[in-house]
Amino acid sequence: AQSVSQHNHHVILSEAASLELGCNYSYGGTVNLFWYVQYPGQHLQLLLKYFSGDPLVKGIKGFEAEFIKSKFSFNLRKPSVQWSDTAEYFCAVNAKMSNYQLIWGAGTKLIIKP
Amino acid sequence: NAGVMQNPRHLVRRRGQEARLRCSPMKGHSHVYWYRQLPEEGLKFMVYLQKENIIDESGMPKERFSAEFPKEGPSILRIQQVVRGDSAAYFCASSPGGNIDQAFFGQGTRLTVV
Repeated sequence: AQSVSQHNHHVILSEAASLELGCNYSYGGTVNLFWYVQYPGQHLQLLLKYFSGDPLVKGIKGFEAEFIKSKFSFNLRKPSVQWSDTAEYFCAVNAKMSNYQLIWGAGTKLIIKP
Repeated sequence: NAGVMQNPRHLVRRRGQEARLRCSPMKGHSHVYWYRQLPEEGLKFMVYLQKENIIDESGMPKERFSAEFPKEGPSILRIQQVVRGDSAAYFCASSPGGNIDQAFFGQGTRLTVV
C-alpha cells in the first residue's frame, strides 16, 4: 500500500536556524508531490508542489523542496526560519493514477522560538 | 472569495448522538473532497463528491457515515451514533475540476466524542 512518512512529529528551532523536514513515500510509479502548511487557526494551504521538471521546487515564503527519485524523498527546506513559520507541515503524494486522492504524512509540528 | 468554509470548527457529541459537519466550497467550485485526520496520523481520503453525485466513497466507513453535496447549499458529512473512535479532525477541500492539486482546503472541524 502507498504510504508517506514524515520523520519528525515535533521540531523546535530558534529563529534564523535552518530547517529541513523529511518526507519519504512508498510508491513505485509516477507521483505528484506536495507540501501543505497549516498555521494556527487557519486553513490548510499549499506551500509547494512538484509535478515534473526541475527537482528543486521553490514555494511561498522562502520554502523549497527537493525531489530525489532514487531515495523516494521530497524534503522541505528553509535556510532561515522566522517565528511566523510556527505551524504544522504536511507532506502528501498523489499517484498519477488518481486525480483526486492524496496520501498524507502524519505531519510535523514546527515551533520556532523567538 | 471567502475560501472553503467549514462549520462548526469544534463539535462535541456524546456517544450515540449524530454529528453533522458542513462544508461550503469556494465560489465556482463544484467538486468537494472530505478527509479525516485521526490523532497522530495523516489525513485519510473519505469521499469525493460533485453536485448531487457521489463519485468515490471508497474511504468512507461502511456504516454510520454518509455524505451529500446537494444542488443548493453546503456539502454535509453525517456521522450517526458517534463512537469515541470518531474523534478526529475532518477536513473538506473544493476544486473547480476533479484535480486535487487545484483544491483549496478548509480549516477543518474537530469532532470530540465524549
